[in-house]
Amino acid sequence: GESVGLHLPTLSVQEGDNSIINCAYSNSASDYFIWYKQESGKGPQFIIDIRSNMDKRQGQRVTVLLNKTVKHLSLQIAATQPGDSAVYFCAEKQEGGNKLTFGGGTRVLVKP
Amino acid sequence: DTGVSQDPRHKITKRGQNVTFRCDPISEHNRLYWYRQTLGQGPEFLTYFQNEAQLEKSRLLSDRFSAERPKGSFSTLEIQRTEQGDSAMYLCASSLDDNGYTFGSGTRLTVV
Repeated sequence: GESVGLHLPTLSVQEGDNSIINCAYSNSASDYFIWYKQESGKGPQFIIDIRSNMDKRQGQRVTVLLNKTVKHLSLQIAATQPGDSAVYFCAEKQEGGNKLTFGGGTRVLVKP
Repeated sequence: DTGVSQDPRHKITKRGQNVTFRCDPISEHNRLYWYRQTLGQGPEFLTYFQNEAQLEKSRLLSDRFSAERPKGSFSTLEIQRTEQGDSAMYLCASSLDDNGYTFGSGTRLTVV
């Protein structure tokens, strides 16, 4: 399949270990954040979201942390599996706005 | 499956030809978005509809691009006089107000 990103930062992780993917955002007016997973040849797949009135949100095997003070967002994946190999994007939405603005993406490679 | 559908999945066209892509959003979603993604980059916003009204357009959307959502359901994106720089993945997303931003699988356009 076609590669989503050829020159992205890459995180290599051993199967079963935890992964942490980081994202810095620049717009202090952003109030909504989403993490997406994108596999080759596919569209972005929603993983988890968080609003600015929260600093942590958990899903199945995933946790998103939001630090508004330093404008930093992270995605933690517990017990990483081969199927987690993909490119991960953070996206932000400005308060009162409608569109999502995406970060540059991080490729996660899970080693068996 | 009631996700976002895009057609065609792939399109190869000669420079100068016109192309049209279709997006069928999730049926209850009132908002529809078009994004463009090139290799190694996150999706970039092109335009946004609330029901049938086109409320925002990016500067990326040149005069050769036009989008419609005539009945507030499906949408079309037309590119006239295609150029090689138009080669990209064109992604459609939909949401119910500010919730549930869901992407389709995209249309991969190659201009030769």
